Amino acid sequence: DAGVTQSPTHLIKTRGQQVTLRCSPKSGHDTVSWYQQALGQGPQFIFQYYEEEERQRGNFPDRFSGHQFPNYSSELNVNALLLGDSALYLCASSLVEGVYGYTFGSGTRLTVV
Amino acid sequence: RKEVEQDPGPFNVPEGATVAFNCTYSNSASQSFFWYRQDCRKEPKLLMSVYSSGNEDGRFTAQLNRASQYISLLIRDSKLSDSATYLCVVNKGGISNFGNEKLTFGTGTRLTIIP
Repeated sequence: DAGVTQSPTHLIKTRGQQVTLRCSPKSGHDTVSWYQQALGQGPQFIFQYYEEEERQRGNFPDRFSGHQFPNYSSELNVNALLLGDSALYLCASSLVEGVYGYTFGSGTRLTVV
Repeated sequence: RKEVEQDPGPFNVPEGATVAFNCTYSNSASQSFFWYRQDCRKEPKLLMSVYSSGNEDGRFTAQLNRASQYISLLIRDSKLSDSATYLCVVNKGGISNFGNEKLTFGTGTRLTIIP
């Protein structure tokens, strides 16, 4: 049973560029959440998708956008990259009903230069 | 004030010792609580959920005090493999709500077990 898979694992981009990160949830999960983890910090919630809609959003600018597809996979897009966007981006999947914890992917490490 | 506060450490503890981590949260509406473990440059992994009645899993014991908005994790007979960052995590969602809402993480407490 595959867990959460994210791609790519590492990425280097230049300031001002755009990036798309991808996530496939754990089999049977229907909700995908994205988190940003800067070095030495805990993960910060970006947004959550369920039924192809953004259910809730954290304190991130509109440069951060996302999408969920009918097969529950998801993308995170970041426009106009800033140096401060350098971080580990984690995707977590879960079931919308009940509280059984999240399963995290191994993340995409984004470096903006 | 941060929503979830933890002592960042580092905690350097000899092998076999007992170590305790504490965490406080500010949102009294929070309904579910977890400890996650994160190894260096890896993703967080669920260590255990935390219940008001307290729960134990082998060498690990977690406790929740809703009145004080305080969560604890106790590790007994620590092993070298326990070296990691321990993240205190709070979720407003609960079984009575519409499922999983966002997780709010503390900054994590770094633990190093010394041989």
